[in-house]
Amino acid sequence: DAGITQSPRHKVTETGTPVTLRCHQTENHRYMYWYRQDPGHGLRLIHYSYGVKDTDKGEVSDGYSVSRSKTEDFLLTLESATSSQTSVYFCAIRDRARDSPLHFGNGTRLTVT
Amino acid sequence: DAKTTQPPSMDCAEGRAANLPCNHSTISGNEYVYWYRQIHSQGPQYIIHGLKNNETNEMASLIITEDRKSSTLILPHATLRDTAVYYCIAGYSSASKIIFGSGTRLSIRP
Repeated sequence: DAGITQSPRHKVTETGTPVTLRCHQTENHRYMYWYRQDPGHGLRLIHYSYGVKDTDKGEVSDGYSVSRSKTEDFLLTLESATSSQTSVYFCAIRDRARDSPLHFGNGTRLTVT
Repeated sequence: DAKTTQPPSMDCAEGRAANLPCNHSTISGNEYVYWYRQIHSQGPQYIIHGLKNNETNEMASLIITEDRKSSTLILPHATLRDTAVYYCIAGYSSASKIIFGSGTRLSIRP
C-alpha cells in the first residue's frame, strides 16, 4: 500500500470551530488531492496540489483552504466548521508520470455538531 | 477530462465473470482509462488502467474498444469480496483535476 497517513482518523467538533486535517505521504509523490464523500454520494474533489505551494480549487472548495509547505504534507483546513461539512475526507496522491494512478488514504471521519 | 457514463448498479453470481462497462466517447487520443473500486467506506483502490491495448493484472482485465470510446472491466471469477462501487475515469493531464463520477455498484450474489 502507498505510504499515506491521514490524521486524525475520527474527529467530532462543534459548529464554528476551526479544524485541520492532515495528509502525510512517504512516497515523495508530486500530486496530492483532498476529496469528501457523503452517504450515498461519490467522491467530490475539494482541492488539489501539483507541487509545494502550488494548489488549486476542485468542485466543492467553498469553506475549505489548503496548504502544502513541503512535499510530504497536505493540510485541509475548515476555517469555521459547519454541519454541512460533516463527511468522510479522503486524501490521495499521485506520482508525476503521465499515467500514474491515484492512491488513497484510509479517510478521516469528521462530525460537526 | 473526458466524461464517463456507467450503469448505476449491476449484479453477478459468485464465481462468474463480472463485466462492468464504461462509456467515454469524448476521450482524447493520449488519455488513459482508469478503474478504481471502493469497498464499503474504505479508501478507493486502484485496479487497472490502459491507453489503447487490453491490459491484465492480478486483479482484473481491461478491454478498450478500438475507437477508444468505451471500455469494459472484467473480474474473471467474482467473489463476495468484489462487492463494491467501481469507478471509471477517462483522461487527465498531469496537473488537472481528477473528477469521479457516480460509479457502478456491483453486487455479487452467492
